[in-house]
Amino acid sequence: QKEVEQNSGPLSVPEGAIASLNCTYSDRGSQSFFWYRQYSGKSPELIMSIYSNGDKEDGRFTAQLNKASQYVSLLIRDSQPSDSATYLCAVEYNTDKLIFGTGTRLQVFP
Amino acid sequence: EPEVTQTPSHQVTQMGQEVILRCVPISNHLYFYWYRQILGQKVEFLVSFYNNEISEKSEIFDDQFSVERPDGSNFTLKIRSTKLEDSAMYFCASTTRRGNEQFFGPGTRLTVL
Repeated sequence: QKEVEQNSGPLSVPEGAIASLNCTYSDRGSQSFFWYRQYSGKSPELIMSIYSNGDKEDGRFTAQLNKASQYVSLLIRDSQPSDSATYLCAVEYNTDKLIFGTGTRLQVFP
Repeated sequence: EPEVTQTPSHQVTQMGQEVILRCVPISNHLYFYWYRQILGQKVEFLVSFYNNEISEKSEIFDDQFSVERPDGSNFTLKIRSTKLEDSAMYFCASTTRRGNEQFFGPGTRLTVL
């Protein structure tokens, strides 16, 4: 059973701080890794994709992948109250589907 | 910016009735998916579709479910005889090729009474 694990949170950070979200996955054969943001009652919105070990930066977001440790993370710099949402880690296992974690709820307080 | 669209946004039905959920994927995308999310739970894969046939389906996608691409733009999910436990948000997604980023539509909230 392929699993994607995330701490459900909530993770509370003050405005302007760095939020660090973590995800582990069970299958070493995983090829593609994604972070989605989901506001309550809305659909998943793609933030970042990462396919190889190391860091990938896009604006205030940095995704980090360590395949040896089966670990992927998302850093959000200069966190804003509008970043408050649930962040979903999703992993593609060389098949036609994404496996999602349960998500981490992030709260950014002013 | 191109986006995935879904209709209706909310569907209420009686148990045992058939429902059809509709999606229009992004126009140059070739791979299409349905996922569902029961309230408070994780997003779950249902089915993937490529080249007019199912590529993969989950255990949830039993004989009560079917998918179709009736024309060049629509992608539908049919539930033949709805159950109470089918109540969920249903999301359509699409991508250009396997392993690439999947873009999700706004979802259809299905309520089975």
